Amino acid sequence: DAKTTQPPSMDCAEGRAANLPCNHSTISGNEYVYWYRQIHSQGPQYIIHGLKNNETNEMASLIITEDRKSSTLILPHATLRDTAVYYCIGSGGATNKLIFGTGTLLAVQP
Amino acid sequence: SAVISQKPSRDICQRGTSLTIQCQVDSQVTMMFWYRQQPGQSLTLIATANQGSEATYESGFVIDKFPISRPNLTFSTLTVSNMSPEDSSIYLCSVMLGTGPNEKLFFGSGTQLSVL
Repeated sequence: DAKTTQPPSMDCAEGRAANLPCNHSTISGNEYVYWYRQIHSQGPQYIIHGLKNNETNEMASLIITEDRKSSTLILPHATLRDTAVYYCIGSGGATNKLIFGTGTLLAVQP
Repeated sequence: SAVISQKPSRDICQRGTSLTIQCQVDSQVTMMFWYRQQPGQSLTLIATANQGSEATYESGFVIDKFPISRPNLTFSTLTVSNMSPEDSSIYLCSVMLGTGPNEKLFFGSGTQLSVL
């Protein structure tokens, strides 16, 4: 499983886009990049994942660099309810295990 | 997605006792996992619960302390044995759904355990 590095915390103004970076320079060719978030002691919530191509769903967009060594999660219009810890995880292949790193605490400010 | 129910949602236990946490899923799943989240920390994978065979434990976790059962494809239990205050954590059950590029991990709401 790839080791990921994220900033410990970020602020974002309500209504603005939140761009959360993640470095995963050791990711292997068959490992996906997953993003989860955890809102105050609830179970983590799946957001999005991708392999090589950029992905978009109703929650967010995922931009993966061409060399796959980093990615950015974009919340296009952050709300106060998006305040949470966001985890970037590199995993896949045969193990199917997701190993969580320390994550980024995103604080959306009114 | 799946509906993942954990019981109990929280408990306060005495040192030296054991607690069994149940995880029920509303559909059959192959891969089930147990995580621990200590106060203020990220999630740590305890083990993979294998149906019909012994669980696969991660480094630092042993069967005697965290016995796991997986009698069928919709149910698993995690027991926290001989508890000490250091075992105070949130314990989370999770399941992997989908195959290949559609694989996603879904979590239960967790069991908040406090050991006195």
